[in-house]
Amino acid sequence: GNSVTQMEGPVTLSEEAFLTINCTYTATGYPSLFWYVQYPGEGLQLLLKATKADDKGSNKGFEATYRKETTSFHLEKGSVQVSDSAVYFCALTPTNTGFQKLVFGTGTRLLVSP
Amino acid sequence: DSGVTQTPKHLITATGQRVTLRCSPRSGDLSVYWYQQSLDQGLQFLIQYYNGEERAKGNILERFSAQQFPDLHSELNLSSLELGDSALYFCASSVAVSGGTSYNEQFFGPGTRLTVL
Repeated sequence: GNSVTQMEGPVTLSEEAFLTINCTYTATGYPSLFWYVQYPGEGLQLLLKATKADDKGSNKGFEATYRKETTSFHLEKGSVQVSDSAVYFCALTPTNTGFQKLVFGTGTRLLVSP
Repeated sequence: DSGVTQTPKHLITATGQRVTLRCSPRSGDLSVYWYQQSLDQGLQFLIQYYNGEERAKGNILERFSAQQFPDLHSELNLSSLELGDSALYFCASSVAVSGGTSYNEQFFGPGTRLTVL
């Protein structure tokens, strides 16, 4: 079946540190991959996406590259800020059509201290 | 603000009761998705409607049902509630143009927090 595995949190960093949150997936076909972010008390927001192998999604300093050979989509940021503190979810849709559900990982909480 | 609204924001009820959660999608979006976020199950897809018709079903219990109305708002009905139904319920919407092959971003509402006592 389709599933997403991401590293357990919380991830605790100091401001300006480098961030990596690991995400691997299992899927049939050619999934699209996403990172969503959930700030406290809010819904999920799409952070970035990649729809085919070797695509790099990027937004707000965050990046992730779709690696088909390692079935991974790790999230990275060169210098985190306190305002990046949130829960990050890796997700996939089983095929790249508009009708498919999102399959989420368990989420990784990021805590950034000044 | 995603443009997706959900009411109520919080709901506290007792076991055995029935509740209705409401979602209004972004203007122009035809597709509505419901997700459940709980501590033990994580974020799970429940059901999707497109222009009034059910399109996909996930791990939705038989005690739960949903519908999408002609004005495109959607309601999720939860009945015979159990303690384990306590969760955050999200609605998301997307354009989901029929026949499209590119991903249509799902925009999430702020959620309804359901507490079953």
